[in-house]
Amino acid sequence: SQQGEEDPQALSIQEGENATMNCSYKTSINNLQWYRQNSGRGLVHLILIRSNEREKHSGRLRVTLDTSKKSSSLLITASRAADTASYFCATDPDSNYQLIWGAGTKLIIKP
Amino acid sequence: NAGVTQTPKFQVLKTGQSMTLQCAQDMNHEYMSWYRQDPGMGLRLIHYSVGAGITDQGEVPNGYNVSRSTTEDFPLRLLSAAPSQTSVYFCASSDFLEQYFGPGTRLTVT
Repeated sequence: SQQGEEDPQALSIQEGENATMNCSYKTSINNLQWYRQNSGRGLVHLILIRSNEREKHSGRLRVTLDTSKKSSSLLITASRAADTASYFCATDPDSNYQLIWGAGTKLIIKP
Repeated sequence: NAGVTQTPKFQVLKTGQSMTLQCAQDMNHEYMSWYRQDPGMGLRLIHYSVGAGITDQGEVPNGYNVSRSTTEDFPLRLLSAAPSQTSVYFCASSDFLEQYFGPGTRLTVT
């Protein structure tokens, strides 16, 4: 069963613009993570935000977490062609390290 | 460090055949897992292990077996391949925070 659902399913923007993706989940969590998957490759960890954190930054990435709304957003600023990928959120609801994954947002950056 | 390695990268099987997907990691992680990824869906957990000698089922374990005799290796066995097992398979290891993924095995069952 899928815990997280990303929105939108697909997003196409011009290079240099900001990209925002959202993730909603159903149960309480210990942390929420975002991963990137380039076409045909494995997933790469981007950022982890714990349930007691509201915002986290890493380079051009900004993640927010609203536990009252059971939602998170990933903002990529000043997008580049290399940001073209699928982005997945994953939640750790039980601290048993079994992440539950959303279906992903496919991001296309147009040059 | 090589990280997480998987072999083979591609495989075609006929219905009823068996095979083993190999996974190895050199990060000394206790936690390892196998996922399958189907179009339009997120990752679904097949089996996982929290240490050598310990394995457990995930969300979609039917038709698959695993073993964990060493910390480094976590092979996934398909017992009798079915077309429904056509998918991309990812192995991952974890430091109990983030997960590190292998490059995947694209499996087609005809």
